[in-house]
Amino acid sequence: NAGVTQTPKFRVLKTGQSMTLLCAQDMNHEYMYWYRQDPGMGLRLIHYSVGEGTTAKGEVPDGYNVSRLKKQNFLLGLESAAPSQTSVYFCASSYVVGGAGNQPQHFGDGTRLSIL
Amino acid sequence: AQSVTQLGSHVSVSEGALVLLRCNYSSSVPPYLFWYVQYPNQGLQLLLKYTSAATLVKGINGFEAEFKKSETSFHLTKPSAHMSDAAEYFCAVSDSGNQFYFGTGTSLTVIP
Repeated sequence: NAGVTQTPKFRVLKTGQSMTLLCAQDMNHEYMYWYRQDPGMGLRLIHYSVGEGTTAKGEVPDGYNVSRLKKQNFLLGLESAAPSQTSVYFCASSYVVGGAGNQPQHFGDGTRLSIL
Repeated sequence: AQSVTQLGSHVSVSEGALVLLRCNYSSSVPPYLFWYVQYPNQGLQLLLKYTSAATLVKGINGFEAEFKKSETSFHLTKPSAHMSDAAEYFCAVSDSGNQFYFGTGTSLTVIP
């Protein structure tokens, strides 16, 4: 059982380059999330999705775009990478049972992204 | 909006001593509360959750947390620390909405 799989695990980009981070879950979860983790700041929500074909902005959405074309996949895109986007990115997914928020999130192992 | 405050970004305890990691939340509605643990170079793993059942919640690896509404707290404890408990711990809160709010984390060091 793979759970939540993030691809790639590491990446170094130059300022202005673009890239897409892939998140795949095999648990048939409705909700999926993208976070960034920076030292001393915990996890901050970038975007999330409550189902296939839907996305919504989180706390820090600027500079990022997302898509959820298939239920099991959630893509995070950086159109023009900036050094401020150097971070560790985590994808998570969760069930919805009788309403949102009462089920824990399952996390991937993260993507470590450096922007030079 | 919800928020979570974790007091103490770094906590050190001796092996065998009590572990106490503090979490206070703000929520306008009864919250759902979670503790996660993160080991180096890994994602977050669920330790335990509170979803309005018993106020004392038992989790994995001997951890437990008590929900105190009057203090808006959800502190994490373990009676006896083990070397393998060294990790980063995150408290998170959610209401009935779609988002989770995380604290800034507490790094636990266990001294042999």
